[in-house]
Amino acid sequence: GQQLNQSPQSMFIQEGEDVSMNCTSSSIFNTWLWYKQDPGEGPVLLIALYKAGELTSNGRLTAQFGITRKDSFLNISASIPSDVGIYFCAGQGTGGFKTIFGAGTRLFVKA
Amino acid sequence: DTAVSQTPKYLVTQMGNDKSIKCEQNLGHDTMYWYKQDSKKFLKIMFSYNNKELIINETVPNRFSPKSPDKAHLNLHINSLELGDSAVYFCASSQVWDEQFFGPGTRLTVL
Repeated sequence: GQQLNQSPQSMFIQEGEDVSMNCTSSSIFNTWLWYKQDPGEGPVLLIALYKAGELTSNGRLTAQFGITRKDSFLNISASIPSDVGIYFCAGQGTGGFKTIFGAGTRLFVKA
Repeated sequence: DTAVSQTPKYLVTQMGNDKSIKCEQNLGHDTMYWYKQDSKKFLKIMFSYNNKELIINETVPNRFSPKSPDKAHLNLHINSLELGDSAVYFCASSQVWDEQFFGPGTRLTVL
């Protein structure tokens, strides 16, 4: 079945540092999504990407949809303590009903 | 106003019992989902309903039975609970081709 490889698995950084994480797949996706999950809550969408090559920003977050449609990355600039959480990439194929999630990147930010 | 709500938030029960989790969305979405998140935080889709019709059933044991009485509700009934069923269960909803909104999760503990 379709799988997403998300890396790194976890990151420990200092406040103010920039962060980069990525997802790769052996399958093509039509949509790439990045979610953040805070402890005890459900994932919340950060950025959605709909076109190959698309680069989208949301405040300090920037994400790109890879040209091959098999990868995506998320950058967070100037991290702050509230960036702590689990970041998930997700891909949607044709039909839009099924979303495959990566295993998550756990981000720890030290003040 | 809560977009996707789930009840209960916590559920502790004995092996062999039958239990239900309820989900409601007030976003007017056509599609609803159930996800299971294990102890390693891996999110895996279980079911998806579109306009009350089952469209995704991901090799879930038939002890799990979803029911969608209307477009705004998707309930999950679990028979003969097993230890391995312990996890956090998330309900989500979306319009097709669009982001999924997740509920707060139901933490199920089977003793």
